[in-house]
Amino acid sequence: ETGVTQTPRHLVMGMTNKKSLKCEQHLGHNAMYWYKQSAKKPLELMFVYSLEERVENNSVPSRFSPECPNSSHLFLHLHTLQPEDSALYLCASSQVLWGEQGSRGYTFGSGTRLTVV
Amino acid sequence: GQNIDQPTEMTATEGAIVQINCTYQTSGFNGLFWYQQHAGEAPTFLSYNVLDGLEEKGRFSSFLSRSKGYSYLLLKELQMKDSASYLCAVRDNSGYSTLTFGKGTMLLVSP
Repeated sequence: ETGVTQTPRHLVMGMTNKKSLKCEQHLGHNAMYWYKQSAKKPLELMFVYSLEERVENNSVPSRFSPECPNSSHLFLHLHTLQPEDSALYLCASSQVLWGEQGSRGYTFGSGTRLTVV
Repeated sequence: GQNIDQPTEMTATEGAIVQINCTYQTSGFNGLFWYQQHAGEAPTFLSYNVLDGLEEKGRFSSFLSRSKGYSYLLLKELQMKDSASYLCAVRDNSGYSTLTFGKGTMLLVSP
């Protein structure tokens, strides 16, 4: 399998639930990202991991908790979410070399459509 | 920080040519990307510009003027399958060169 795979594709959860989103990349990239895509808004960067270390956290509420156990896997743990957190959550990977990315930038997964009820 | 503007929606007819503009203001610039996103799918890479000028790739071309903070994506010989959202994104020159995206331009191609 190649590319970036996200599971599940769709998720409906109550505000008191705990769930996790999973992302797996088979491209040998060394950086992974979580983005949030809401209607009529640009993609918003949430977290950046490089070589399994979190290097950026864009003022994301603590109800979102990322985990990167190795360079191929990235998780987003969710708990006590709010209805406004309903969105498409996109994972992406890239190869960062000496602070530069390759000309293709990111490879995205298909996303998880999250609905909080 | 980054600020990226592009039109919200555009319409065109099959076989025509359409130009989608993108303007940006950035605190650091290290390349501009265009992605295509069909509804419910992942964004896919279309083009990349880091130097001024035109990059051509089949039916798609992208232009960059760094002094004007301006880019456009040109789509020729439009096909129905080109109906999608087109995302303009700027890469900064921070250590991990993250991408900042515009809101996207929804293009509707009609017969």
